[in-house]
Amino acid sequence: DAKTTQPPSMDCAEGRAANLPCNHSTISGNEYVYWYRQIHSQGPQYIIHGLKNNETNEMASLIITEDRKSSTLILPHATLRDTAVYYCIALNNNDMRFGAGTRLTVKP
Amino acid sequence: SAVISQKPSRDICQRGTSLTIQCQVDSQVTMMFWYRQQPGQSLTLIATANQGSEATYESGFVIDKFPISRPNLTFSTLTVSNMSPEDSSIYLCSVDRVGTGELFFGEGSRLTVL
Repeated sequence: DAKTTQPPSMDCAEGRAANLPCNHSTISGNEYVYWYRQIHSQGPQYIIHGLKNNETNEMASLIITEDRKSSTLILPHATLRDTAVYYCIALNNNDMRFGAGTRLTVKP
Repeated sequence: SAVISQKPSRDICQRGTSLTIQCQVDSQVTMMFWYRQQPGQSLTLIATANQGSEATYESGFVIDKFPISRPNLTFSTLTVSNMSPEDSSIYLCSVDRVGTGELFFGEGSRLTVL
């Protein structure tokens, strides 16, 4: 699996967009980028994933650079409930190893 | 989404004893994963449990310490054997229901070893 690196923590103002970066410079051609989040005391929750193209769903958008060496998860209008640890994973063949993640704190 | 139930949700155990954690899924799944999350840390994959075959353990985890059963496509157990305080963690079961890498997680079993 490609190793991912994320900033350990970020703050975001409520109502603003939260942009969470992830570097995966050793990603291989068949590895997808997955994002999960873990709200305190809960199991992790799937957010979104992508291979090459940008993706959007009801929770977030995923922007993957053309060389696929990095990506950004965008929460368009962050709320206090989005405070969580966000994990970026690059994987294939269901090898599900999590990195340290980014602790996002949304502030009023 | 898959519904995953874990039992027990929490337990306090004595050093040297063993505890079995159960994971029940509301639909048939091929791949199940067991994770450990120590206080303040990220998730660490313990093993992958596929029905009909031996579990595949990650580096640092062995079958004698963490035996896993996978008797059918909706159920798995993880046993934490001969526990020590270092085993105090949250243990999470997860499934890849549709084979796409989209994992669903149980709420975890919080284990405290005295």
